[in-house]
Amino acid sequence: AQSVTQLGSHVSVSEGALVLLRCNYSSSVPPYLFWYVQYPNQGLQLLLKYTSAATLVKGINGFEAEFKKSETSFHLTKPSAHMSDAAEYFCAVSAPTGTASKLTFGTGTRLQVTL
Amino acid sequence: DTAVSQTPKYLVTQMGNDKSIKCEQNLGHDTMYWYKQDSKKFLKIMFSYNNKELIINETVPNRFSPKSPDKAHLNLHINSLELGDSAVYFCASSQDDAQWGTDTQYFGPGTRLTVL
Repeated sequence: AQSVTQLGSHVSVSEGALVLLRCNYSSSVPPYLFWYVQYPNQGLQLLLKYTSAATLVKGINGFEAEFKKSETSFHLTKPSAHMSDAAEYFCAVSAPTGTASKLTFGTGTRLQVTL
Repeated sequence: DTAVSQTPKYLVTQMGNDKSIKCEQNLGHDTMYWYKQDSKKFLKIMFSYNNKELIINETVPNRFSPKSPDKAHLNLHINSLELGDSAVYFCASSQDDAQWGTDTQYFGPGTRLTVL
């Protein structure tokens, strides 16, 4: 079985500060990992994904994440937070299931950006 | 052009009623999904269809019945609605090579279901 754990249900940073959202995974097979963002009253949008190519993955809106097998982590970072980054962020692990792909999500981290 | 669309966006209904939520994708994907997001924002997969064939069926009450008339549509019908069914339901789709597990799932805007 696969799972992800997101540490911190709520993270608050000042505008311009570093954003660090933590995600640890558990998987019996090499994992495929995703970060999605959900803005208020909207659906989920892919930020980035790790699919066993480069361990440092760059995504949209200046976000990146590094896959660290030794630490079973896939933390999301952004050097400088912007007010528009305020949203809910979900880490997810993927398991192929026949001809579908089952995403198992973490419990989410709400990012608040203050002036 | 909306990639994955859902109707309705909001649905308020009484306990015991039957309701449907419709989903359509114009991305040409073969695989579609339904997820449920509860009041604590926890997202859990319910069903997945590939080219009209049921692939994933999680532990969901049989009051929930997905129907896929063609590969661009995946509707969710719910019988005898209960208070606990109140949630946001998201439809998603991905490419047909989803068996590798790497495909991006594209999500619809969600349907907020409130059962009174």
